[in-house]
Amino acid sequence: NAGVTQTPKFRILKIGQSMTLQCAQDMNHNYMYWYRQDPGMGLKLIYYSVGAGITDKGEVPNGYNVSRSTTEDFPLRLELAAPSQTSVYFCASSYSGPKLFFGSGTQLSVL
Amino acid sequence: QKEVEQDPGPLSVPEGAIVSLNCTYSNSAFQYFMWYRQYSRKGPELLMYTYSSGNKEDGRFTAQVDKSSKYISLFIRDSQPSDSATYLCAMSAREETSGSRLTFGEGTQLTVNP
Repeated sequence: NAGVTQTPKFRILKIGQSMTLQCAQDMNHNYMYWYRQDPGMGLKLIYYSVGAGITDKGEVPNGYNVSRSTTEDFPLRLELAAPSQTSVYFCASSYSGPKLFFGSGTQLSVL
Repeated sequence: QKEVEQDPGPLSVPEGAIVSLNCTYSNSAFQYFMWYRQYSRKGPELLMYTYSSGNKEDGRFTAQVDKSSKYISLFIRDSQPSDSATYLCAMSAREETSGSRLTFGEGTQLTVNP
């Protein structure tokens, strides 16, 4: 009963490097989301997907890309890492409505 | 002005105390109100989900919505050390088929001391 699985848990990047944050869910949810959480700022939606092959921008999409080739996986790509992307990233999924199931997060530092 | 305001705390109480956590909001279209609990180094998990005004109770937890004042509360009775976590309020204007229209508060960090 894994739920939403995120990898890696921690990562340090140098400015300008690229990386992919992995997210997988085993609940057959159509809807998946990427959020970032900064101290004192709450959760901000980066991208979301309503099903395989369909993605859309959230509130703070700049500097990120996503793809959704299967129902289970929703990777988040950082192309040119910047210090402003230092944050904790959460992947979430839902069957319907606002009841989201979150992963444990990826703590990313860009130095 | 932020759409959702939540006192970030930190809030520290003794075990057994009644805890009141609050959010105010400015968007009168919000109708669906949620409380998520987030333990340290974990993702948030849904705790309570209410629609429109009124109260909803679940064990030691009571969620209260006052739409006329644009104010929501979460009460925790007989608080336990295991309740120590960050509590985030979240709300949306309608029951979207996806959660893409959720607006979260900053979260209130609660510590319950034994």
